[in-house]
Amino acid sequence: EIVMTQSPATLSVSPGERATLSCRASQSISSNLAWYQQKPGQAPRLLIYGTFTRAAGTPARFSGSGSGTEFTLTISSLQSEDFAVYYCQHYNNWPPIFTFGPGTKVDIK
Amino acid sequence: EVQLLESGGGLVQPGGSLRLSCAASGFTFHIYAMTWVRQAPGQGLDWVSSISTSGDDTYYADSVKGRFTISRDNSKNTLYLQMNNLRIEDTATYYCTKWSRFSVGSDAFDIWGQGTMVTVSS
Repeated sequence: EIVMTQSPATLSVSPGERATLSCRASQSISSNLAWYQQKPGQAPRLLIYGTFTRAAGTPARFSGSGSGTEFTLTISSLQSEDFAVYYCQHYNNWPPIFTFGPGTKVDIK
Repeated sequence: EVQLLESGGGLVQPGGSLRLSCAASGFTFHIYAMTWVRQAPGQGLDWVSSISTSGDDTYYADSVKGRFTISRDNSKNTLYLQMNNLRIEDTATYYCTKWSRFSVGSDAFDIWGQGTMVTVSS
């Protein structure tokens, strides 16, 4: 069973600064890694899929990278609307299982 | 507008049953696999169950296997989750999601409903 971890649990950032969120898998995984953003009281929203590809409507300041067991979501210059919780998610082809990380909360410094 | 609208949540006693529904609109429902994801109060996201386009293939998290049944009616553009023998730990907001396979190695949930709350309590 693959376990996804995220660090840090909370990241305090000032508007305009860069934020780097980490997602780690317990074993080497494919590039089938997605990132979601969730704001209080709202459903999650897909940001990145396939490790690198921005979903429709995702601003260019969001970028994904990584391979093997280490993956990163980078927000190049934080805007006020980016303060939220971010989840990574891996899909295992067989058996078909989706696994989410525990999330990183990005709040205002 | 692409939309998923869940219903059927509520308060139920431990051991009880509920059936969640998710009405899809704005996209070709029958060509997409669908999934339920839940979120306990103040907690993270947990995958619950997925179903193939035809409904012939279903997948479950170990925590709900044998108790929950996912199904779909493509003629009604509706996804279901039958939840039996509910436990206190099943208390959560349940989200209906559209599972998109953008390419090989790129699976993700690109459309989410607003969620429906299920509370299991005596």
